[in-house]
Amino acid sequence: ETGVTQTPRHLVMGMTNKKSLKCEQHLGHNAMYWYKQSAKKPLELMFVYSLEERVENNSVPSRFSPECPNSSHLFLHLHTLQPEDSALYLCASSQDREGANTGELFFGEGSRLTVL
Amino acid sequence: GQQLNQSPQSMFIQEGEDVSMNCTSSSIFNTWLWYKQDPGEGPVLLIALYKAGELTSNGRLTAQFGITRKDSFLNISASIPSDVGIYFCAGYNYGGSQGNLIFGKGTKLSVKP
Repeated sequence: ETGVTQTPRHLVMGMTNKKSLKCEQHLGHNAMYWYKQSAKKPLELMFVYSLEERVENNSVPSRFSPECPNSSHLFLHLHTLQPEDSALYLCASSQDREGANTGELFFGEGSRLTVL
Repeated sequence: GQQLNQSPQSMFIQEGEDVSMNCTSSSIFNTWLWYKQDPGEGPVLLIALYKAGELTSNGRLTAQFGITRKDSFLNISASIPSDVGIYFCAGYNYGGSQGNLIFGKGTKLSVKP
């Protein structure tokens, strides 16, 4: 139990569907992240929210839309995805301290997404 | 962009054996981290290294921050079945958000009882 909970754990969707992934952290952290994990590839950072504001968007296609309503919750809205978007989507949180960050992240268990 | 070369890609060993894996980069990092991902779980931080040349242990795990700041290794002594999983190295530079890590592709470890 890492204190970061993701739902659903598994999701199968068609290319025309709209779905959302949810992440909740119980650690009191001030930053949350979405990562994409594909087989035989490094973890890819998709979105960063610090103090509920999006600070980074690493050129992710617009069919992925994040939402961070407060510091404990993070969503990833999905629409018109492609089969190559099938992957494990990991949420993470951390306590960002200006000038004193360490790179330590706390990950959720991931949402396994399959796009048909 | 920055990339990390992590090797080996996979290892299949007997219980009780020692394990060694490493990570190299063409650019320097201020921090090296090692994460482990158990099957069906997210990655968990094992060891963080903050100074070139630093050698740090965590139980049966030992990791070192290379003196050139471009590499790191992780050793596991006397492996046990619960060591199974994927081990990721990650490099980090100050000034970015915590999430701005560069990850290696992982070393998948299998342990035969």
